[in-house]
Amino acid sequence: DGGITQSPKYLFRKEGQNVTLSCEQNLNHDAMYWYRQDPGQGLRLIYYSQIVNDFQKGDIAEGYSVSREKKESFPLTVTSAQKNPTAFYLCASSILAGAGTGELFFGEGSRLTVL
Amino acid sequence: AQKVTQAQTEISVVEKEDVTLDCVYETRDTTYYLFWYKQPPSGELVFLIRRNSFDEQNEISGRYSWNFQKSTSSFNFTITASQVVDSAVYFCALSEAPFGNEKLTFGTGTRLTIIP
Repeated sequence: DGGITQSPKYLFRKEGQNVTLSCEQNLNHDAMYWYRQDPGQGLRLIYYSQIVNDFQKGDIAEGYSVSREKKESFPLTVTSAQKNPTAFYLCASSILAGAGTGELFFGEGSRLTVL
Repeated sequence: AQKVTQAQTEISVVEKEDVTLDCVYETRDTTYYLFWYKQPPSGELVFLIRRNSFDEQNEISGRYSWNFQKSTSSFNFTITASQVVDSAVYFCALSEAPFGNEKLTFGTGTRLTIIP
């Protein structure tokens, strides 16, 4: 089935450790996004990428890094510089930016807890 | 800067009742796009509707309807004859991009609980 796969679904990390969240899509979408969801704050954009080997910072990029070496993959690394990393992380994709319907397709999310 | 406000944090209604979720937005652009997404307990957000700023016609899709009023900067969502499967968190979102893509600004969401 076509869609977005995020892994792991649950992740625990000790303070000071980096952790990488995986996001893979088989929808042949050009654009991919990472959002962070906190209780009472809705979704906030971390990074997005419209094309392979290119990505842009969103509203809360500090303490995060991404790469886009393949069209179908957009991993997110939560670094030790992120002060409050415990959150629910959602990956999304969309058809070529500027030509799509604006519909984002989301994965089921990864819940990161820092111990 | 753009902003989306969903003042209702949580709503509970008894099954078969109608319920309206409010969404108020702020933007300085004349061209923008509004969205509603549903987040069931499984976690992924599901797209419900997209509306551009030039189309103020109300839309109905089955039990769902949307009321877009530019005069009040609102894009409200009504569920008629609610069902337990409607229980979820609902997000309203805004995009100022030319084609409604990328960098959506989301509201804080409304948790809807339908009581059997």
